[in-house]
Amino acid sequence: KAGVTQTPRYLIKTRGQQVTLSCSPISGHRSVSWYQQTPGQGLQFLFEYFSETQRNKGNFPGRFSGRQFSNSRSEMNVSTLELGDSALYLCASSPRDRVTDTQYFGPGTRLTVL
Amino acid sequence: AQSVTQPDIHITVSEGASLELRCNYSYGATPYLFWYVQSPGQGLQLLLKYFSGDTLVQGIKGFEAEFKRSQSSFNLRKPSVHWSDAAEYFCAQNYGGSQGNLIFGKGTKLSVKP
Repeated sequence: KAGVTQTPRYLIKTRGQQVTLSCSPISGHRSVSWYQQTPGQGLQFLFEYFSETQRNKGNFPGRFSGRQFSNSRSEMNVSTLELGDSALYLCASSPRDRVTDTQYFGPGTRLTVL
Repeated sequence: AQSVTQPDIHITVSEGASLELRCNYSYGATPYLFWYVQSPGQGLQLLLKYFSGDTLVQGIKGFEAEFKRSQSSFNLRKPSVHWSDAAEYFCAQNYGGSQGNLIFGKGTKLSVKP
């Protein structure tokens, strides 16, 4: 089985722009979660999608949004980029529940905001 | 406030020596606790998790963790460390039952001396 794939792997944007990151979960997985990893704040949970609906959300501003498609692929969008949004964005998938099932993580997208 | 504390930022052990990584979680009646490992340039991999039951949890790669409610701790152990165990280790707790927010500790970087 193919693992979780994230595209692109690296991205450079400037302040004020918006960005869309993509995540393809493991086949058959319906739960997709997103995480932000920075040296200062560490790992933080962004949100989780299940069956095209946002099921949980962390403590991030509304500039961070996401969606999930009927094939379980997910995108996250960050609008009006700030320097502090520079981070590694990780996507993880699980069959149904990100807590009781095992989450499988992708390699991440490294976003640099200049 | 919800928090997960990993007191050790960096630990160095000799190959073949035993390892214990510390983790303290915030109070919770039913803590959902996890240990993840992140190798350089990689995403996260789940080592083990605890929801209830036996307080000694076995994971992958020879790791185990012990849940101690009286000490609010969930320490990770391995009897004999291999060079390939060099990585960063994250303890995490999910608040809000099986949904809610997943809070990570700041991580402990493990170096292994030959």
